[in-house]
Amino acid sequence: QITLKESGPTLVKPTQTLTLTCTFSGFSLSTSGVGVGWIRQPPGKALEWLALIYWDDDKRYSPSLKSRLTITKDTSKNQVVLTMTNMDPVDTATYYCAHDPEEDFSFDYWGQGTLVTVSS
Amino acid sequence: QSALTQPRSVSGSPGQSVTISCTGTSSDVGGYNYVSWYQQHPGKAPKLMIYDVSKRPSGVPDRFSGSKSGNTASLTISGLQAEDEADYYCCSYAGSYTPVFGGGTKLTVL
Repeated sequence: QITLKESGPTLVKPTQTLTLTCTFSGFSLSTSGVGVGWIRQPPGKALEWLALIYWDDDKRYSPSLKSRLTITKDTSKNQVVLTMTNMDPVDTATYYCAHDPEEDFSFDYWGQGTLVTVSS
Repeated sequence: QSALTQPRSVSGSPGQSVTISCTGTSSDVGGYNYVSWYQQHPGKAPKLMIYDVSKRPSGVPDRFSGSKSGNTASLTISGLQAEDEADYYCCSYAGSYTPVFGGGTKLTVL
């Protein structure tokens, strides 16, 4: 049974750096083809893909946010960490992590999401 | 990399069929068979309904089907049920190991 859960601050100030952790179970990020992605959704708006990390440590980022994002994995802890620098109120959103089973860019299991508000 | 284009809303009566379109370009939808569809109920995480254009994950009813023609992918829901009322998002591989989502479609069951 695959589960994922996001954790991190619920409130950050403008210009601060956001660090989110995805803790998962039921699969290994050292298995060929497996990846974990981050997707966000501002209140009332659409999903936006942010970043992906694969079993072989290949990392991919949204072109529009690439300069602000870093994704890393700790296979021994079953965790993936996303950092986003220079937070702005427009970054207020629910942030989800999700499992990509075979590098086909579909996400079959999602975390419950965590709402991050950017405000001074 | 622009978001894929979906109609903002569609509607149908119980038992009817509805189709939601997802239009991209030859660099995403038209160039790869990596289109997926997600259903999202209010306050919930998205749920994968279709992957690789037309494949259904285990547990998804066969009332949901996917297809693609050129730069446009489609999700068809037949035999509409009240619980199908939700937001639906398409997603496509867009090259360089990056996916892109659509703007979302609100399905209303009348």
